[in-house]
Amino acid sequence: ETGVTQTPRHLVMGMTNKKSLKCEQHLGHNAMYWYKQSAKKPLELMFVYSLEERVENNSVPSRFSPECPNSSHLFLHLHTLQPEDSALYLCASSQRAGASYNEQFFGPGTRLTVL
Amino acid sequence: EDKVVQSPLSLVVHEGDTVTLNCSYEVTNFRSLLWYKQEKKAPTFLFMLTSSGIEKKSGRLSSILDKKELFSILNITATQTGDSAVYLCAVDDQGAQKLVFGQGTRLTINP
Repeated sequence: ETGVTQTPRHLVMGMTNKKSLKCEQHLGHNAMYWYKQSAKKPLELMFVYSLEERVENNSVPSRFSPECPNSSHLFLHLHTLQPEDSALYLCASSQRAGASYNEQFFGPGTRLTVL
Repeated sequence: EDKVVQSPLSLVVHEGDTVTLNCSYEVTNFRSLLWYKQEKKAPTFLFMLTSSGIEKKSGRLSSILDKKELFSILNITATQTGDSAVYLCAVDDQGAQKLVFGQGTRLTINP
């Protein structure tokens, strides 16, 4: 596979469930990102990892818990979510965080619905 | 606080028309401005602009940056129905090591 892949593509969960979103990049990049895209709002950066170390956390609620075991994989663990957390969650990667060339390659996203 | 504002938010034109999309920004430490096209899910990269006044061109699409007035435009000539998408503008904040995105412009091309 090439590029950035995300699983699952669609997820429906109840507020008491625990689930995880997975992202994998096959580009040899060192930085990975989680974004949230809600209807009619700009893309919101949630987390940035550079060389498996978190460098940015934009005041995201603790019910979202990221994990980056290596530079190719990124997880977003979800628990006790709220209906307003329903959104498209996009993963992206780039060569380096903070580099002069910061083109980010995006995955297809996970459409999350919280009931 | 970093801010990126795109206009218009929505635009509907006929095939063959030329469109201009706008992006203005306020960023503490500007490094570059990027344009993305989002059709279904994943945004795909179009252009990265770092210098004022130098036009980037790819087929019918072109873009230019004005770092003095803090804006960029994306032009699409001879539009086709396949150009229908949300166009996202993002600015790379050098200090914060992150991209700040605008709300996007939803472009619809009618046959």
